[in-house]
Amino acid sequence: NAGVMQNPRHLVRRRGQEARLRCSPMKGHSHVYWYRQLPEEGLKFMVYLQKENIIDESGMPKERFSAEFPKEGPSILRIQQVVRGDSAAYFCASSPSGTVSTGELFFGEGSRLTVL
Amino acid sequence: RKEVEQDPGPFNVPEGATVAFNCTYSNSASQSFFWYRQDCRKEPKLLMSVYSSGNEDGRFTAQLNRASQYISLLIRDSKLSDSATYLCVVNTPQGAQKLVFGQGTRLTINP
Repeated sequence: NAGVMQNPRHLVRRRGQEARLRCSPMKGHSHVYWYRQLPEEGLKFMVYLQKENIIDESGMPKERFSAEFPKEGPSILRIQQVVRGDSAAYFCASSPSGTVSTGELFFGEGSRLTVL
Repeated sequence: RKEVEQDPGPFNVPEGATVAFNCTYSNSASQSFFWYRQDCRKEPKLLMSVYSSGNEDGRFTAQLNRASQYISLLIRDSKLSDSATYLCVVNTPQGAQKLVFGQGTRLTINP
């Protein structure tokens, strides 16, 4: 039973390029969360999605960032015109339902973005 | 004020020692509380939930004080493998639920 799969694991981009990060949730999970972790900092919530719907994007910057979770295929976090400050680890997590009362989000291994 | 605040450490303790971490949260309406563990350059993983009455899982004890909005984690008889960053986590009580993570407390157990 595969866990949450993220790719690429490492991505290097130059300023101004686009970064596209993919996340396949665990089998049977229809809720996906994206978090960003800057060096030496905690995880910051970015966006919560269900299939074809953005439920909460309150943590996502208004410009350059977008996320989707299509009916078929992985969830994608897209960062346009990257800047050095976007360098971080981006973690995807999934859960089988929208309630987090059990606290268990299953995290992928993360995608580490480096912007040169 | 941060939603979840932790002392970032680092804590360096000898093997076998008892170590305690604290965490405070700002939203009094939060209902669910957790400790996650994150190893260096790895993903976070759930360590344990925190219940109002306090709960124990082997060498780990978690406590919650709702009046003070304070959560603690106690590790007894620490092992080298306990070295990690410990993340205090609280759910958001309104709207679409999500987990809010503290900055984390870095712990190193020394032989």
